[in-house]
Amino acid sequence: EAGVAQSPRYKIIEKRQSVAFWCNPISGHATLYWYQQILGQGPKLLIQFQNNGVVDDSQLPKDRFSAERLKGVDSTLKIQPAKLEDSAVYLCASSPRVSEVNEQFFGPGTRLTVL
Amino acid sequence: AQKVTQAQTEISVVEKEDVTLDCVYETRDTTYYLFWYKQPPSGELVFLIRRNSFDEQNEISGRYSWNFQKSTSSFNFTITASQVVDSAVYFCALSEANYGQNFVFGPGTRLSVLP
Repeated sequence: EAGVAQSPRYKIIEKRQSVAFWCNPISGHATLYWYQQILGQGPKLLIQFQNNGVVDDSQLPKDRFSAERLKGVDSTLKIQPAKLEDSAVYLCASSPRVSEVNEQFFGPGTRLTVL
Repeated sequence: AQKVTQAQTEISVVEKEDVTLDCVYETRDTTYYLFWYKQPPSGELVFLIRRNSFDEQNEISGRYSWNFQKSTSSFNFTITASQVVDSAVYFCALSEANYGQNFVFGPGTRLSVLP
């Protein structure tokens, strides 16, 4: 079974530029998560989708971050414009069932550096 | 609100020593789930265990064991006879079943196992 795929693996941009990350979850997984992991910290949830609907985006900085999950499969996370403090690893995760709390399966992450 | 504390920032042990990683949590929910994840130097988070709040039985899996105590709100992780390959950052996480199922991760404990 293929794992969670993310691209790109690394991205370097200058502040005020835009960037987008892509995630393809494990086939059949209903729930998809985006996390931000700043160096030396634990992952922080940005947004949670169930199928193609948003369940929780309370910690998403909506003035600059946006995310979508079209057709309930792939997802993209966008930052526009980027700030220095957005430098972090952006992790995508998926889990199989909606009706209970399951473990999440994580992708390799995208390391973003904002100069 | 839910919170996870991992008081040990970094631990160093010599190979074959036993080591315990502490995790203390706070939750308003009566039904919740606790997790441990491993993040090796490659960066991808690896699921280790999930426990629900109704199951306080300790669990052993090979060299790994977990001690769940609701009375002290702790879910500690012990590695017996540690190996160099155990070197990683370990995260404890909490998910409340009745409040959106979103995960909150602790800050992590960096374990270094020296040969």
